[in-house]
Amino acid sequence: NAGVTQTPKFQVLKTGQSMTLQCAQDMNHEYMSWYRQDPGMGLRLIHYSVGAGITDQGEVPNGYNVSRSTTEDFPLRLLSAAPSQTSVYFCASSYLRRTNTEAFFGQGTRLTVV
Amino acid sequence: AQTVTQSQPEMSVQEAETVTLSCTYDTSESDYYLFWYKQPPSRQMILVIRQEAYKQQNATENRFSVNFQKAAKSFSLKISDSQLGDAAMYFCAYRAIQGAQKLVFGQGTRLTINP
Repeated sequence: NAGVTQTPKFQVLKTGQSMTLQCAQDMNHEYMSWYRQDPGMGLRLIHYSVGAGITDQGEVPNGYNVSRSTTEDFPLRLLSAAPSQTSVYFCASSYLRRTNTEAFFGQGTRLTVV
Repeated sequence: AQTVTQSQPEMSVQEAETVTLSCTYDTSESDYYLFWYKQPPSRQMILVIRQEAYKQQNATENRFSVNFQKAAKSFSLKISDSQLGDAAMYFCAYRAIQGAQKLVFGQGTRLTINP
């Protein structure tokens, strides 16, 4: 079972560079989301999507773009990386219209911006 | 907006003993879900236990149980017979029933198990 697959697992960027974090799920989940994890702050929601073609901002969206062209994929783009975006990033997915549904997480991407 | 607070950044316990991790939350909703997630050094987020707010009975999963106090908006996790494999970061999380499946996380508690 693949579940939620995130790539890459580690990445070092220079300030101003752009990159895309990939996220794919094979469970036909409608809901997908991106979180960032920083020490002492838990996980904070960046962007989320309730289906193909529909995205919305979370708590900390600045500096990030997303799109959802298919049910399976939800990439996160950093347009111009800044040191403040050094963090661990998690993608998660779940069913939208079922009660008591569990969120499944990818293994995370550790991003360092120098 | 909903908030989740974990006031214990770090906890430690002797192997085989019991430890309780605290979590409080704030919401105006009457129905919602609460979760505890475990994050070992591998970074993987693992669901430990979940509680539905409309259920008065506290959830239990083997050595893990919760003390859910809805009026006090408190949701603590008790780990019995602690094992070395329980060492991890633990996150408390809230999710509303209605609307999108947004999870709101606490700051996390790092649990150390002493042999």
